[in-house]
Amino acid sequence: GDSVTQMEGPVTLSEEAFLTINCTYTATGYPSLFWYVQYPGEGLQLLLKATKADDKGSNKGFEATYRKETTSFHLEKGSVQVSDSAVYFCALSDGNNDMRFGAGTRLTVKP
Amino acid sequence: DTGVSQDPRHKITKRGQNVTFRCDPISEHNRLYWYRQTLGQGPEFLTYFQNEAQLEKSRLLSDRFSAERPKGSFSTLEIQRTEQGDSAMYLCASSLVGRANTEAFFGQGTRLTVV
Repeated sequence: GDSVTQMEGPVTLSEEAFLTINCTYTATGYPSLFWYVQYPGEGLQLLLKATKADDKGSNKGFEATYRKETTSFHLEKGSVQVSDSAVYFCALSDGNNDMRFGAGTRLTVKP
Repeated sequence: DTGVSQDPRHKITKRGQNVTFRCDPISEHNRLYWYRQTLGQGPEFLTYFQNEAQLEKSRLLSDRFSAERPKGSFSTLEIQRTEQGDSAMYLCASSLVGRANTEAFFGQGTRLTVV
């Protein structure tokens, strides 16, 4: 079945460092891809999404490009801030509403 | 509208007891989802509703679990004869599907601890 594999954490970075969190997927069709973020004590929030190959999702300085050839949707940010500390989840949806999530990657940004 | 709300936020129960959780979705959303999240894992799909109809159930949803959305608005998730393995965060999400589609918006979850 469809699945998502994302980079294991935790990831600890200094402020202003470059961030990459890897995400690869397995799907039989053409899924939509998402990154959700969960800040401490809060629910999951959609960070960005891409619905077709070569689409780039972006929000709050984060970007991810839907790469069909490598079945990837890696999350990147050029300069992280302490406020970016959270758990990041990669997810896919094949349109049948059974959204599949990765295990999550905890990011800690130190001043 | 303040988003998806779940009640209670925390529940501690003894093994064998029944528990019921409530989810109030965003008012105009026609789809409602239940997920379960255990420590260090991503959310796992349990079931979803299109209006009041329950359209899909995961194999994770054993016979002890039942979900309802009687009027197509709020939903309840009941777990009967709870087991320690049921301890998890139960997440509810809602979305609008149709003429205008939205992503899934999540509530803050209900954390269940079975002792």
